[in-house]
Amino acid sequence: GAVVSQHPSRVICKSGTSVKIECRSLDFQATTMFWYRQFPKQSLMLMATSNEGSKATYEQGVEKDKFLINHASLTLSTLTVTSAHPEDSSFYICSARASSSYNEQFFGPGTRLTVL
Amino acid sequence: AQSVAQPEDQVKVAEGNPLTVKCTYSVSGNPYLFWYVQYPNRGLQFLLKYITGDNLVKGSYGFEAEFNKSQTSFHLKKPSALVSDSALYFCAVRDMGLTFGSGTRLQVQP
Repeated sequence: GAVVSQHPSRVICKSGTSVKIECRSLDFQATTMFWYRQFPKQSLMLMATSNEGSKATYEQGVEKDKFLINHASLTLSTLTVTSAHPEDSSFYICSARASSSYNEQFFGPGTRLTVL
Repeated sequence: AQSVAQPEDQVKVAEGNPLTVKCTYSVSGNPYLFWYVQYPNRGLQFLLKYITGDNLVKGSYGFEAEFNKSQTSFHLKKPSALVSDSALYFCAVRDMGLTFGSGTRLQVQP
């Protein structure tokens, strides 16, 4: 089936540094990828939608200059958390939608970011 | 805006008993509804979806859900719960991405 990977699975960084998270669709092409954020014991909140070769669309309240998204190919999207602060600590989950299946998203395993 | 609501934070059932996890939706137009399950510190696993067609949708691991238009509900069900079903369950509706409900923690007791 469709597999989405994320790297790294876990990252700890110092406040003020930048962290890049990769999301890859392993066995299908994804024209659209989504980035979600999940706080402890809470639901997932959509942060942004990225389409291959174009700028990401950010949800209201999400700072585009802080959360940089690049969807450079049909199998890779990256999320860079710039100048990370402790309040950015969260579980970040990506999903990918296959070109052939508008209705279904396949989720990555998530990346736990801890900012000290 | 599309939204889903999960009225129960937690559901407890005994192993072998039927389980129901509730979800109601609010959408404009035709709803595209999903159920996902999340195990600790992991991403989401797809269980099932309703796009169109039969109101009773069968999914993975023996789960099913019934789409009820008059009650705007999409409850998740399983005839006989397993301890391994214990996890966090999310109902979702397709918007641009997916809009998720608040989640329901299912605890199946041996």
